[in-house]
Amino acid sequence: SYVLTQPPSVSVAPGQTATIICGGNNIGSKRVHWYQQKPGQAPVLVVYDDTDRPSGIPDRFSGFHSGNTATLTISRAEDGDEADYYCQVWDSSSDHYVFGTGTKVTVL
Amino acid sequence: QVQLVESGGDVVQPGRSLRLSCAASGFTFTSYAMHWVRQAPGKGPEWVALISNDGVNKFYADSVKGRFIISRDNSKNTLYLQMNGPRTEDTAVYYCATDSRRHFDRWGQGTLVTVSS
Repeated sequence: SYVLTQPPSVSVAPGQTATIICGGNNIGSKRVHWYQQKPGQAPVLVVYDDTDRPSGIPDRFSGFHSGNTATLTISRAEDGDEADYYCQVWDSSSDHYVFGTGTKVTVL
Repeated sequence: QVQLVESGGDVVQPGRSLRLSCAASGFTFTSYAMHWVRQAPGKGPEWVALISNDGVNKFYADSVKGRFIISRDNSKNTLYLQMNGPRTEDTAVYYCATDSRRHFDRWGQGTLVTVSS
């Protein structure tokens, strides 16, 4: 089955930039989506189709996709950005939806 | 506004059955394929099943195939998940979510299913 790998944790100082990487075999051929999940809440879509943001998501959240990695960048980090972040793709070979292993972002 | 409200979560014994529901409002339900996604305690989300907007096409994760059944009643704007023969490893919060071009656009708040004897 298809696997998406993320670093378990990322720390960032307030006002600085956090970068979360998502890796997977031939991920360059897939569209990557990103979700934010705060404790006790449902996930929220923050980036879809590699780089697009849903309405209401601040432009501090940006996605980038190149080669074998996808990246979510959180600029000018705020305390409210502390959460778990998951990447996700659709694997056409299995017709399955796959989530990454998740990254806990801490704003120190 | 879009609202998805799950219900039916409970404590269930292994091997019994349970049906989850997801009531949708604030959008044209018949225009959207729908998913069930679950999240075990302390783990990341796991996709469970997908049903097309007309209910004809259904897809399942390998972990639930042959045991769970996804269905919908478009006249009631409601999505269902029939859990047959649940196992302890099916313990999770179950979310319903709308599909939008192969990603999960809007999510409900989830319903907790605990499989335990």
